[in-house]
Amino acid sequence: EVQLVQSGAEVKKPGESLKISCKGSGYSFTTYWIGWVRQMPGKGLEWMGIIYPGDSDTRYSPSFQGQVTISADKSISTAYLQWSSLKASDTAMYYCARFDSWGQGTMVTVSS
Amino acid sequence: QPVLTQSSSASASLGSSVKLTCTLSSGHSGYIIAWHQQQPGKAPRYLMKLEGSGSYNKGSGVPDRFSGSSSGADRYLTIANLQSEDEADYYCETWDSNTRVFGGGTKLTVL
Repeated sequence: EVQLVQSGAEVKKPGESLKISCKGSGYSFTTYWIGWVRQMPGKGLEWMGIIYPGDSDTRYSPSFQGQVTISADKSISTAYLQWSSLKASDTAMYYCARFDSWGQGTMVTVSS
Repeated sequence: QPVLTQSSSASASLGSSVKLTCTLSSGHSGYIIAWHQQQPGKAPRYLMKLEGSGSYNKGSGVPDRFSGSSSGADRYLTIANLQSEDEADYYCETWDSNTRVFGGGTKLTVL
């Protein structure tokens, strides 16, 4: 069974850095694109970017290019989403997703 | 880059059927899409992949009540015999070589 398990909820202050994770299991992690999706409170789904863990080829949505970094460690079947300097507007639920499977979500709250 | 358009809301009665629409932008009418369901307070769930031919491939455990069809640039999700648990947001998604994109989602209310 394909599973994507994400790290737990985070509460951070503006300006802080953060890295959240998504561990894949039940499939060949290196041969499927995996991506990150933002859902702001009460809003729809937005693709942020995707990565191919086999060679780390990464594509970003124009809206998120330069705002976040997506990476993967294929040795531990884990994808990451990171911010170098969080803003209050980054407060949202973040999901990792393969084309046919979703993680459970990580809530990120940024507040002073 | 393709754009997907969905109605913001739909409603139908318990036990009836409903057909949700996702429309691909001009020049992208042949694209494959996926349908996802997001029940209140839960993570999205993959329902199916749907081709322009109308052929679809459902995810594991998706009830037979869910089906897909296509006509031109329109992609449809039909839910038969509506149940209370079908009340959810439904998103279509498509992709090309460099990006993926969601429609704005349709909020389905089961009356």
